[in-house]
Amino acid sequence: DQQVKQNSPSLSVQEGRISILNCDYTNSMFDYFLWYKKYPAEGPTFLISISSIKDKNEDGRFTVFLNKSAKHLSLHIVPSQPGDSAVYFCGVGAGSYQLTFGKGTKLSVIP
Amino acid sequence: DAGVIQSPRHEVTEMGQEVTLRCKPISGHDYLFWYRQTMMRGLELLIYFNNNVPIDDSGMPEDRFSAKMPNASFSTLKIQPSEPRDSAVYFCASSWGGLGEQFFGPGTRLTVL
Repeated sequence: DQQVKQNSPSLSVQEGRISILNCDYTNSMFDYFLWYKKYPAEGPTFLISISSIKDKNEDGRFTVFLNKSAKHLSLHIVPSQPGDSAVYFCGVGAGSYQLTFGKGTKLSVIP
Repeated sequence: DAGVIQSPRHEVTEMGQEVTLRCKPISGHDYLFWYRQTMMRGLELLIYFNNNVPIDDSGMPEDRFSAKMPNASFSTLKIQPSEPRDSAVYFCASSWGGLGEQFFGPGTRLTVL
């Protein structure tokens, strides 16, 4: 039973267009949400986070949206660049000091 | 800062052998996490430490797995005996204050033949 689901294993987007990555979770107790990016042969790196008291957080080209009632969060990348091609993991936490991650979505940005 | 350091980067061993993975967290961080990444299960937390003390090891798959943190700058994950299904990429991460951004090492790719 997956507590965190990223239902799209892969996504292809044209350079300059918007990339939307989705993540669903099951436990309403989760109150902290993060996105990590991972390049091949490297460890995941932190991208952006949001707490449950907000529904949107922006950082440059990256915006995370949180819909608590739907238990859904999404990451928008606008405009997408070839360097954004990577695997993206969403991670969720519930006040404890541990994160549960989804299986990841591989984003390919086509020049 | 050098970031989180893991060694070795690659490990190939035969079934039944003991495997030891090593991690040096970022100086000053008080939380250390061990994760395993597989195609089937994604990125899963195995165990985490706070101030060198193991807090939650419920993710450790079996008694064959053990982890230690003898001091603030070093941790090991040991598998004894290793099995082919242990083949995965193992990541170590550290953070300050626990919840929030975790800094990951480059990982150790383990192959058990």
